[in-house]
Amino acid sequence: GAVVSQHPSRVICKSGTSVKIECRSLDFQATTMFWYRQFPKQSLMLMATSNEGSKATYEQGVEKDKFLINHASLTLSTLTVTSAHPEDSSFYICSARDLGRTDTQYFGPGTRLTVL
Amino acid sequence: GENVEQHPSTLSVQEGDSAVIKCTYSDSASNYFPWYKQELGKRPQLIIDIRSNVGEKKDQRIAVTLNKTAKHFSLHITETQPEDSAVYFCAAGGGAGNQFYFGTGTSLTVIP
Repeated sequence: GAVVSQHPSRVICKSGTSVKIECRSLDFQATTMFWYRQFPKQSLMLMATSNEGSKATYEQGVEKDKFLINHASLTLSTLTVTSAHPEDSSFYICSARDLGRTDTQYFGPGTRLTVL
Repeated sequence: GENVEQHPSTLSVQEGDSAVIKCTYSDSASNYFPWYKQELGKRPQLIIDIRSNVGEKKDQRIAVTLNKTAKHFSLHITETQPEDSAVYFCAAGGGAGNQFYFGTGTSLTVIP
């Protein structure tokens, strides 16, 4: 149980384009999902908290107009990187909080974004 | 906000020896402390967690201790095996928004 999927696993795009990443909880409902960014050999940096049916909460320093988050259902959250630039290249990982286990977060497999 | 520090950043041990990783946190409202293991290019996997009403928790070769007064918690791995080699992250969270804030990670290498 507690499986989280993420799509795509890898994406390469040109500078200036937008990229959408999907995060799904497959076997549980998640009113809250989280988006992280991880640079090589570094820690997971929380970008934003995605709440089903309401606006996302962004961490300080994260541009909400650049990283658009939509949490349309209890099993799906999307992160759209708008007008991507090479410095946005990173590993993006989502996690979902299991309602049945209030604290535990389960992570998706991550999306490797490369912006040329 | 929460600030989590983790030490050491790298750790090498001989197979069979113990490994200890330590973390400190700053927000007294944090009440949940998970540990994750991440292998290269893969997702973090929860290996053990502890809540603030417990001082110690053990699961086979892995144990975690928490000192809430001092705001620090530690991961102990005994009888290490080569497959324990990975990056380990501590995290603190459980506040109002249930966000997790991660430590900087420890790269553990178990030498056969």
